[in-house]
Amino acid sequence: GAVVSQHPSRVICKSGTSVKIECRSLDFQATTMFWYRQFPKQSLMLMATSNEGSKATYEQGVEKDKFLINHASLTLSTLTVTSAHPEDSSFYICSARVGGLYGYTFGSGTRLTVV
Amino acid sequence: QKEVEQNSGPLSVPEGAIASLNCTYSDRGSQSFFWYRQYSGKSPELIMSIYSNGDKEDGRFTAQLNKASQYVSLLIRDSQPSDSATYLCAVKPGGGADGLTFGKGTHLIIQP
Repeated sequence: GAVVSQHPSRVICKSGTSVKIECRSLDFQATTMFWYRQFPKQSLMLMATSNEGSKATYEQGVEKDKFLINHASLTLSTLTVTSAHPEDSSFYICSARVGGLYGYTFGSGTRLTVV
Repeated sequence: QKEVEQNSGPLSVPEGAIASLNCTYSDRGSQSFFWYRQYSGKSPELIMSIYSNGDKEDGRFTAQLNKASQYVSLLIRDSQPSDSATYLCAVKPGGGADGLTFGKGTHLIIQP
């Protein structure tokens, strides 16, 4: 149980275009979704926290106008990378808190390549 | 800046031996600690979680927490080649923050 489905797994886009990444909680309701970014050989860095029905909270240094997060339902959160540039190429992973107080489950990740 | 530090490795361990992975964290208010395994190009998968000082065992894995020293470790007994991966230490900071702070990970190689 407690599966987060993330799509697409890989995407290649042209510089200047926008890309949307979806994360769906399949068998539970995700009140809160976390979005992470991981550059090669680096750690996962928390980008933002989204709560269903309210505005996302962004970590310091993350541009909220560039990384648009929508969490309109308890089972779906989306991250849109707007006007993507090559430096946005990274591995994006969503995560939701499940059960108990501190359990987290992760989506399978999206490899974004901007050319 | 709340930080989680790990030795990046690679840590090479013979098959069947014990692999010992270490992690320190800076936020004394942290309450929850996690070890994740990540294969190249894949998402992290939870190995262990620990919240109280002491040891917690689950099969071949033992997590150890010492809040006074701000230190977390993971022991893998009877290491298998399939254990070869990057192990990420993650901490839920105190102060109401809900997301996890991750270390850079330790690359573990189990030699057959």
